[in-house]
Amino acid sequence: DSGVTQTPKHLITATGQRVTLRCSPRSGDLSVYWYQQSLDQGLQFLIHYYNGEERAKGNILERFSAQQFPDLHSELNLSSLELGDSALYFCASSVLPAGANTGELFFGEGSRLTVL
Amino acid sequence: DAKTTQPTSMDCAEGRAANLPCNHSTISGNEYVYWYRQIHSQGPQYIIHGLKNNETNEMASLIITEDRKSSTLILPHATLRDTAVYYCIVRVPETSGSRLTFGEGTQLTVNP
Repeated sequence: DSGVTQTPKHLITATGQRVTLRCSPRSGDLSVYWYQQSLDQGLQFLIHYYNGEERAKGNILERFSAQQFPDLHSELNLSSLELGDSALYFCASSVLPAGANTGELFFGEGSRLTVL
Repeated sequence: DAKTTQPTSMDCAEGRAANLPCNHSTISGNEYVYWYRQIHSQGPQYIIHGLKNNETNEMASLIITEDRKSSTLILPHATLRDTAVYYCIVRVPETSGSRLTFGEGTQLTVNP
């Protein structure tokens, strides 16, 4: 158990819909990262928040958005869903930004999104 | 971040050492080598990281060649639960932003 909690574990929805994935980082961790893993793309970095502020953006679509709240939990919002958005979405947390030279990210078990 | 090259797949007998190689010939002097693994569809798990010296923890050992162009992750006594995809990642934590960039990794299969 990494200490990172993601909900829901599984989600099935239809094209065009909107969903919200939630992540609770480990106690005391200020950084939250979101990754997407689909069958043909591997693990793709989406976005990183540190203490409520966006720190880095990866291959995140404009239809997707994220935020980190004062209690440090984070939400990833996916809208106008397409079939290709079906994937595992992982959240990871760390104590400090990766720039603090730890390199150790703790990943949750993921949210499996299926778009029909 | 430097590019890494890993074999697509490897097999290992249970109880034997698993040696997973990684080439990072373009690594620069301040880039670290990190290893993560992902057991089927679970979240990736940090294993170990190092800069120049060999490192060991309760999970594995990391051997980095003197020229730092390659490294080997060693699982000393592989078990069936070590079957996973192993990712070798090279990066400079201070300057490459705050992301880990995962490649294709090596699928390690531990056989009974």
